[in-house]
Order: sequence, then structure tokens, then C-alpha cells
Amino acid sequence: KAGVTQTPRYLIKTRGQQVTLSCSPISGHRSVSWYQQTPGQGLQFLFEYFSETQRNKGNFPGRFSGRQFSNSRSEMNVSTLELGDSALYLCASSLQEPNEKLFFGSGTQLSVL
Amino acid sequence: GENVEQHPSTLSVQEGDSAVIKCTYSDSASNYFPWYKQELGKRPQLIIDIRSNVGEKKDQRIAVTLNKTAKHFSLHITETQPEDSAVYFCAAATSGGYNKLIFGAGTRLAVHP
Repeated sequence: KAGVTQTPRYLIKTRGQQVTLSCSPISGHRSVSWYQQTPGQGLQFLFEYFSETQRNKGNFPGRFSGRQFSNSRSEMNVSTLELGDSALYLCASSLQEPNEKLFFGSGTQLSVL
Repeated sequence: GENVEQHPSTLSVQEGDSAVIKCTYSDSASNYFPWYKQELGKRPQLIIDIRSNVGEKKDQRIAVTLNKTAKHFSLHITETQPEDSAVYFCAAATSGGYNKLIFGAGTRLAVHP
């Protein structure tokens, strides 16, 4: 089985722009979660989607949003980018049951200039 | 709020020694505790996990122990090898599940030949 795939691998944006990141889960996995990883804050939960519905959301501003499609693929969007949004954005997929094993993608490294 | 503390932040051992990383969680309803290994520039990979109905779990050179009363859990690596060098993250699933993990800050393990 192919692993979790995230595109693009790298992104460079400037302040004020918006960005969309994509995640394709492992085949058969219906839950997709997003995490932000920074050297200072570690891994922080952004949100989780299952069957096109957001089931849980972390403590991030409304500029961070996401969605999931019927084929379980997910996108996250960050609007009005700030310098502090520079981070590695990781997507993880799992089977539908809560607290199942999470499998991470390689992430999208976002740099905001 | 939800919190996971992880210690130590860095750990240096000689090849063949044992390494122990400890985590403490705040949410007494947490019931799932995975450990992830992240090598430089790579995705976090699940190495072992434990659920709250089990006190200890082993997988070859890796073991995890859980003390629900004290709300802490530990990772034990025996007979360390240079390829064990990486950042290790503990995590706890918050009450309510939905695949939301709260991560510790990470431990950078260096195994010297």
C-alpha cells in the first residue's frame, strides 16, 4: 500500500498570501488529521476530518481551515499568511475508529517571507 | 488544559547502553499512548503504542510502560544502536478520542559508537 502522500513538499510564500496543502491518505483510511510542527512548539494538532466532517479542532485561529473530500483526500488552507506560520505541516491518516494508529506523511515545509 | 510533558529533552548514550524517556500527561481520561520516532528530515514513524488497559508492552528492543495512577508512561530502548539516533515523541490521546493526539516536546537521542 502506498503511504500518506502530501503535496507540495516545499512552499515559499509572502506575508498576506494564502496557501493550500494537499493530503492523500492510505487507501482505506477515512480519518485525516493535520498537525503543525515547529522547533519551538513541537507537534500541535490542527484538526481532524472523517467522512467529510470536521470532528475536532485545535487551538488555531480561523485563518486555518480544512476540508475532506468523498475519496478521503484532504486539503488545508491558511489565509493571510504570517511569518509565524512558517512550519512543517504534517498530515496523518488512520482507520475510522478513534485512537487508532496514525500514519504520517512527509509533510509540506512552508516558509513565509 | 491538555498537556504532555516529556523528559529529558536530550539524551546521549553509548552504543549498547539503555535509554529511557519519560512522559507525564494531564488528562486522566487519556487512554491511548503512542511513541513516534522522527529522523532528521523524515516523517514521524510509530514505533510502539500502548492502551490504558495494559501496563507494559514490548517489541524486540523497545518497551513501553504505563502507570495510570501516576499518569506517566515511559519508553525503554535496550542495546541501543547508532541507528536509534533520532527525536522521539510521546503522545496521549485526549478524552473523546477522534484521533487527536497531544504530543510531548520530544527527546533528541544520540547514540555514540
